[in-house]
Amino acid sequence: GAGVSQSPSNKVTEKGKDVELRCDPISGHTALYWYRQSLGQGLEFLIYFQGNSAPDKSGLPSDRFSAERTGGSVSTLTIQRTQQEDSAVYLCASSFMRAGGTYGYTFGSGTRLTVV
Amino acid sequence: GDSVTQMEGPVTLSEEAFLTINCTYTATGYPSLFWYVQYPGEGLQLLLKATKADDKGSNKGFEATYRKETTSFHLEKGSVQVSDSAVYFCALSGGGADGLTFGKGTHLIIQP
Repeated sequence: GAGVSQSPSNKVTEKGKDVELRCDPISGHTALYWYRQSLGQGLEFLIYFQGNSAPDKSGLPSDRFSAERTGGSVSTLTIQRTQQEDSAVYLCASSFMRAGGTYGYTFGSGTRLTVV
Repeated sequence: GDSVTQMEGPVTLSEEAFLTINCTYTATGYPSLFWYVQYPGEGLQLLLKATKADDKGSNKGFEATYRKETTSFHLEKGSVQVSDSAVYFCALSGGGADGLTFGKGTHLIIQP
């Protein structure tokens, strides 16, 4: 597609439920990233995928968080047993290569998750 | 490791004022430097970039010059508008195996 697409744009869920967030990167971008942005805060790196290599999960805050990327394209971020502190905007980005080179990343519009 | 430091916000200015948002970095090698902008309710958009020393990136009236001697990439605009109200992120790409390193963001508020 022309840009990075994320769905849903907004999600309200009850505490304890599982949620799945989807990211469809730009076609041809081999690198995909998930970030979390809590209210009024900066970007918190969560996980990175590069092609078919094992993902860099170093930013995942707990074992309730997991992500997969099927066929080197679409990615799903799953949060199990959601807690109120999981409420944030989850941003996905993609690029040609991890370092971003001279092009940087292209971000989606994000999914705003609210846990009530 | 690489790091980016931005001035704390919020920064509040009147319309038509001159804007400077400071950004300094620490990196090995010769990074590429970026400014991203995030408008309310949206994701981050690339505003401008510079890939080598003394390069000037510019877009939408914003400018930033890559200063290797001071390891800085300050964002400037001569006359801000209410529509410039947003959060601005400075970032660098080290060119190695790591991804982009972002600053914490600066919230800019422009009052009419």
